[in-house]
Amino acid sequence: ELKVEQNPLFLSMQEGKNYTIYCNYSTTSDRLYWYRQDPGKSLESLFVLLSNGAVKQEGRLMASLDTKARLSTLHITAAVHDLSATYFCAVDIDQGAQKLVFGQGTRLTINP
Amino acid sequence: DAGVIQSPRHEVTEMGQEVTLRCKPISGHDYLFWYRQTMMRGLELLIYFNNNVPIDDSGMPEDRFSAKMPNASFSTLKIQPSEPRDSAVYFCASSPLVGTDTQYFGPGTRLTVL
Repeated sequence: ELKVEQNPLFLSMQEGKNYTIYCNYSTTSDRLYWYRQDPGKSLESLFVLLSNGAVKQEGRLMASLDTKARLSTLHITAAVHDLSATYFCAVDIDQGAQKLVFGQGTRLTINP
Repeated sequence: DAGVIQSPRHEVTEMGQEVTLRCKPISGHDYLFWYRQTMMRGLELLIYFNNNVPIDDSGMPEDRFSAKMPNASFSTLKIQPSEPRDSAVYFCASSPLVGTDTQYFGPGTRLTVL
């Protein structure tokens, strides 16, 4: 059975600190997506990683993909309160068809 | 573009009633996806369409659930009869290009079955 596991599931951190969210998956895939969800809201696309070694950065967030290790990371640099949200990774299990399996989500709270 | 449009945004119904959720994808997008989000099971893909044709409905929980896409600008997800365990947020998403782009999610429909 395919598993997409995020770690940690809950993260509370101080503004200005750095941290990393991990996404492990159990099947072969070279396509991984990161989404953000604010409470009571929809999902917003953050990054699309389409090959081994892919790295993308937007502001204080950087995502990377290691398909051999079946691992993606979302790194937060110098966190600010506005980044508080739930972050999901999703793996495309049907190459190119965007049949996504989502992780459980990581609820990130950034305290002033 | 207005983004993916879903209606209604909230639906409260009683067990046994029929529920129809509606979705209008972003114009020009070839793929449409229906998801369900619950605390217990997280985000689950129910079914997706390519050019109005259902491609994979393996995530549809049971025969009480059905989905249609009669044209490129409209899709429905129907639950008949509804049960309390169907209570969830149902998201519709669309995508313009397979493999290189992302899915754009609608605002969701929060369904409560009493």
